[in-house]
Amino acid sequence: QQPVQSPQAVILREGEDAVINCSSSKALYSVHWYRQKHGEAPVFLMILLKGGEQKGHDKISASFNEKKQQSSLYLTASQLSYSGTYFCGTVDRGSTLGRLYFGRGTQLTVWP
Amino acid sequence: DSGVTQTPKHLITATGQRVTLRCSPRSGDLSVYWYQQSLDQGLQFLIQYYNGEERAKGNILERFSAQQFPDLHSELNLSSLELGDSALYFCASSEAPSGNTIYFGEGSWLTVV
Repeated sequence: QQPVQSPQAVILREGEDAVINCSSSKALYSVHWYRQKHGEAPVFLMILLKGGEQKGHDKISASFNEKKQQSSLYLTASQLSYSGTYFCGTVDRGSTLGRLYFGRGTQLTVWP
Repeated sequence: DSGVTQTPKHLITATGQRVTLRCSPRSGDLSVYWYQQSLDQGLQFLIQYYNGEERAKGNILERFSAQQFPDLHSELNLSSLELGDSALYFCASSEAPSGNTIYFGEGSWLTVV
């Protein structure tokens, strides 16, 4: 089922941190994070497969709390290039189709 | 560049018309997905094909249809177009039929006037 993302929008100054949350009412097999710039394709950031898993590259990282059925995306010391809409996608555990459901997105704006 | 190719990039057409959007998946990917993204809306899943067979259906209207060909490219056909069909249509692909990371094409902008 479609995950719920919060907040809907975040406005930051360059160098500030942000956290975007993604939660599901279903037990999850995996969580996928994407970033989309306006009018462009969503770009894959990372996938988390195991509860407790944490991943990251550059200053963007994510965690997956399997018990709470949620994931969080952490943006540290944000840069102007981080601006965009962040989507989480989830695959329900036990789903026969393994379909990826996307949240409605969190719009992140970073100002200089 | 994700490796997923979509054509055309932009399309303007009148209400009542029919259009075809084309997608070539990444090399080696057998699964193709179609998504619709309207202004300020999220990614609405339309349909998925895996190795030529329909695998999953989402919020796809009856006026819309899709297919995946033996060479794995896919087409999304939109007919009897309405103003509300104006949107960005994304194709995505993945290796496996489920659970894997999917990679998006650049999208086809459809404007219905």
